Amino acid sequence: GAGVSQTPSNKVTEKGKYVELRCDPISGHTALYWYRQSLGQGPEFLIYFQGTGAADDSGLPNDRFFAVRPEGSVSTLKIQRTERGDSAVYLCASSLYQNTEAFFGQGTRLTVV
Amino acid sequence: SQQGEEDPQALSIQEGENATMNCSYKTSINNLQWYRQNSGRGLVHLILIRSNEREKHSGRLRVTLDTSKKSSSLLITASRAADTASYFCATDRSGGSNYKLTFGKGTLLTVNP
Repeated sequence: GAGVSQTPSNKVTEKGKYVELRCDPISGHTALYWYRQSLGQGPEFLIYFQGTGAADDSGLPNDRFFAVRPEGSVSTLKIQRTERGDSAVYLCASSLYQNTEAFFGQGTRLTVV
Repeated sequence: SQQGEEDPQALSIQEGENATMNCSYKTSINNLQWYRQNSGRGLVHLILIRSNEREKHSGRLRVTLDTSKKSSSLLITASRAADTASYFCATDRSGGSNYKLTFGKGTLLTVNP
């Protein structure tokens, strides 16, 4: 596609529920990143994929968070047993290769009530 | 953790004036990128400047980089109301983990018509 696409754009869920957030990167981009942005802050790194593998998941806050990219294109960020503190905008980005310009999607605003 | 710090936190100017935003960072970098964000959603990539570059232009944007001071500035000339947004700098560290962007908290620019 023309840009990075994220769905849904908004997600409201109840505390304790499971959610999946989807990212469709720019076609041909090998690198994919997830970031999380809380209100009034800059985005913070969660996880980086090079191809199908998670090369660095050091930013995931705890084991309730997991992400996959099974075919090296679309990625899904999965959050189990959601908590109110998980409320944030989750941003996905892709780049042609590591260390080149990263292009971001519009984000998914997750609200846990 | 946030490596970059933008300054000022908020800037309000009149249409037609120039806007200058600054960014400071802590570690050695490969690249520094500037992004714009409207209404807390997707980040729009503005410009990337490499550590061996000192200045770069793109349309009404001018970015400078001083690696000795670990700082960068973004100048927007002849500002327009549509430039109203938050602006973030993002750095990637030289050496390991250089795919990981570290953002500051951003500068909120308001351009008054």
